[in-house]
Amino acid sequence: KNEVEQSPQNLTAQEGEFITINCSYSVGISALHWLQQHPGGGIVSLFMLSSGKKKHGRLIATINIQEKHSSLHITASHPRDSAVYICAVKNYGGSQGNLIFGKGTKLSVKP
Amino acid sequence: EAGVTQFPSHSVIEKGQTVTLRCDPISGHDNLYWYRRVMGKEIKFLLHFVKESKQDESGMPNNRFLAERTGGTYSTLKVQPAELEDSGVYFCASSHARDERIRDYEQYFGPGTRLTVT
Repeated sequence: KNEVEQSPQNLTAQEGEFITINCSYSVGISALHWLQQHPGGGIVSLFMLSSGKKKHGRLIATINIQEKHSSLHITASHPRDSAVYICAVKNYGGSQGNLIFGKGTKLSVKP
Repeated sequence: EAGVTQFPSHSVIEKGQTVTLRCDPISGHDNLYWYRRVMGKEIKFLLHFVKESKQDESGMPNNRFLAERTGGTYSTLKVQPAELEDSGVYFCASSHARDERIRDYEQYFGPGTRLTVT
């Protein structure tokens, strides 16, 4: 079992829907990253958080350290949000770059 | 400001050949990371440079992989000899200068190099 689990693996939504992607992890962490990868494209960092909640435009990321769980929410989803969303954690005490990645959630937003 | 760049974008080589991947980090970023995603699997950490020094190379799969960052600017990742299982997408990322007071930095990823070993 991977130390970082994401759900769902695949998600199809209609434009305008509210979307939630979940990430659970089993190790102690100092930071959690949400990343976005478009088809054929590189990876973009959306959020890095260690507590609470962050918001950027229509994207919201939350983390509950006690429950070892994070969620990424997309409000008023749009077809351009279609991408793979990846959760990655930095193990507490681990070296800075040694991230542990989830397998990703493939999101498809239909017009 | 230019982002992280990687070269080549695609490489197809035969088993046993040598391939060298290059990563140019964002100017001024002392930290440089290499990651790999093989088909159907999650991305895995390979190694981390701070300037020209290897800070953590615990993710390097075996001694067929050699990473360098001479001068602390761009980095190369050489695979010699390449094996079929080395096929995948190799990502490079960089982050800001090291500050002992801050444990974690946002990483900026490059577009990746897709390596296919036949």
